[in-house]
Amino acid sequence: DTGVSQDPRHKITKRGQNVTFRCDPISEHNRLYWYRQTLGQGPEFLTYFQNEAQLEKSRLLSDRFSAERPKGSFSTLEIQRTEQGDSAMYLCASRYGTGDYNEQFFGPGTRLTVL
Amino acid sequence: DAKTTQPTSMDCAEGRAANLPCNHSTISGNEYVYWYRQIHSQGPQYIIHGLKNNETNEMASLIITEDRKSSTLILPHATLRDTAVYYCIVRVGYGGSQGNLIFGKGTKLSVKP
Repeated sequence: DTGVSQDPRHKITKRGQNVTFRCDPISEHNRLYWYRQTLGQGPEFLTYFQNEAQLEKSRLLSDRFSAERPKGSFSTLEIQRTEQGDSAMYLCASRYGTGDYNEQFFGPGTRLTVL
Repeated sequence: DAKTTQPTSMDCAEGRAANLPCNHSTISGNEYVYWYRQIHSQGPQYIIHGLKNNETNEMASLIITEDRKSSTLILPHATLRDTAVYYCIVRVGYGGSQGNLIFGKGTKLSVKP
């Protein structure tokens, strides 16, 4: 399967713990996005990478959140000192190029539950 | 970016055409209309996009009004597998915030036997 993959698919943690999610984009896709989706809402943009450079961060991305994309391949999203409000589905998407054909390919998501 | 308005939910009979409307009255000249859908427990899936002209692909057709203030996504022969939340997104296709998508709440389409 050559689609976007995310790991783990589900994560249950206790409040105050740190968690890290991984996203493997489609090979050769230079752009990678993280979104967060809560129940009944559409996905909300968190941050974006072009190759290894993090070019934009939403104000939703508090200081407890950090994302990396070393070597412009896979990406990780870490949440420190988790809070119950962090419970959500975390989606990763990738795309290639800079043209108007803004087709982003999404992974299946990581569902985080903070107890 | 322009804001979109979609009905909260719609029903469609299996085998019939599903017509999903979207209003985007404040759309700018350089903004495209994108449609994505999200089947339960999956990530969103790109369907189609357009600027001015009507577009068709293997999944759907997109009809954009001449003034570009509204559009309709058409699934010509809806199946049970088309049951999903459909998102209409208006966005610049280049530059700006590098293409991050701004989702609303979408339209929940239920295809019934």
